[in-house]
Amino acid sequence: QSVLTQTPSVSGAPGQRVTISCTGSSSNIGAGYDVHWYQQLPGTAPKLLIYGNNNRPSGVPDRFSGSKSGTSASLAITGLQAEDEADYYCQSYDSSLSGLHVFGSGTKVTVL
Amino acid sequence: QVQLQESGPGLVKPSQTLSLTCTVSGDSISSGRYFWSWIRQHPGKGLEWIGYIYYSGTAYSNPSLKSRFTISVDTSKNQFSLKVSSVTAADTAVYYCARDAGGSTGLDYWGQGTLVTVSS
Repeated sequence: QSVLTQTPSVSGAPGQRVTISCTGSSSNIGAGYDVHWYQQLPGTAPKLLIYGNNNRPSGVPDRFSGSKSGTSASLAITGLQAEDEADYYCQSYDSSLSGLHVFGSGTKVTVL
Repeated sequence: QVQLQESGPGLVKPSQTLSLTCTVSGDSISSGRYFWSWIRQHPGKGLEWIGYIYYSGTAYSNPSLKSRFTISVDTSKNQFSLKVSSVTAADTAVYYCARDAGGSTGLDYWGQGTLVTVSS
């Protein structure tokens, strides 16, 4: 049972916009901890996609964006492309776990 | 360019101890700028953070996991390691090591992962 809850799957046609939600609580996201997002392409290791709620590492396309509000965070993908088909995970920290790492349950993005 | 590479046996028998090593290149663990994490992923499942270690040897583990997990560091070899004792089939997973840039930056570099199967 993941501490952070994500919708199991979302889908969209190429060019569309999809959003992935990450719902936490007052002991993690709501406590002010930053949220990071990872993209895991099939058969590969996760890759940092968004850090510090809304920052993109060098090389990540600007069609990926993150936001955070209250006890939730979101990842948006605009202009969906076939290569965006992957699993996406949010990650934060939890004060009930001594501020240690917690991951979301993951969301599978399917490009129709 | 920072690279991490996991190594260890792909098959471990139940009740034995699993040992994995992560070799870091392109960065120095002893710089003290980062923590170094282990994460695992059960087949077809999500990510589970196991714990991390600092260059000094101070380690923190996921309190949700039982105390079978030990993380250590060898700065002379620029490596850190994970030991899992008394393994069961439930420990079958892909194990990843990652550089942990901290609360505002996340896990910024990952190894490719190594599949460990627990089976007799």
